[in-house]
Amino acid sequence: DAKTTQPPSMDCAEGRAANLPCNHSTISGNEYVYWYRQIHSQGPQYIIHGLKNNETNEMASLIITEDRKSSTLILPHATLRDTAVYYCIVRPPSGGQNFVFGPGTRLSVLP
Amino acid sequence: NAGVMQNPRHLVRRRGQEARLRCSPMKGHSHVYWYRQLPEEGLKFMVYLQKENIIDESGMPKERFSAEFPKEGPSILRIQQVVRGDSAAYFCASSRLAGDTVYEQYFGPGTRLTVT
Repeated sequence: DAKTTQPPSMDCAEGRAANLPCNHSTISGNEYVYWYRQIHSQGPQYIIHGLKNNETNEMASLIITEDRKSSTLILPHATLRDTAVYYCIVRPPSGGQNFVFGPGTRLSVLP
Repeated sequence: NAGVMQNPRHLVRRRGQEARLRCSPMKGHSHVYWYRQLPEEGLKFMVYLQKENIIDESGMPKERFSAEFPKEGPSILRIQQVVRGDSAAYFCASSRLAGDTVYEQYFGPGTRLTVT
């Protein structure tokens, strides 16, 4: 079972920031938070991951609370092409650990 | 640097035939994972392989399904005697290893299997 909970769906206006929350209250000390998205029926696309510090890359920012029990993925200027299902996953870094995908959040970016 | 490649992208098989799905990992990646996504459902892990070794097959159905990742060539997911319930998208992912740390997985475009 997935160790994360996410809202099933969210809407966001084009050009505005999309803030996608994720709860992972049972996260262990060595587990990372990963975010992926799946656009339509394509393969999942890696977005970002982090352990405890906030992270930023060309796609998004990841804000992890100090107690690490929740995080927020931020798409700073959402476009129509960001419409997708977004998955938040926690996983330890050691070998042999597959990703457990929950139902994710279906983000709809509206014109 | 080419991403994860999967072929064929679409595969149609009649009930009882065999399906062979291929996955070439990203250059420098030594770990391959297979996932299945049934229509309108989430991705489910099937199997994790390194070169010539199956590391974790806890998500593989006990019968008809097998996977390999030979020393040379792509990883193969093989489904024998397909049934309609095998119709799904099958995704392959690869990752690299440095020390004991396995890094993020990168996914291929998937193979859509249709069983008629």
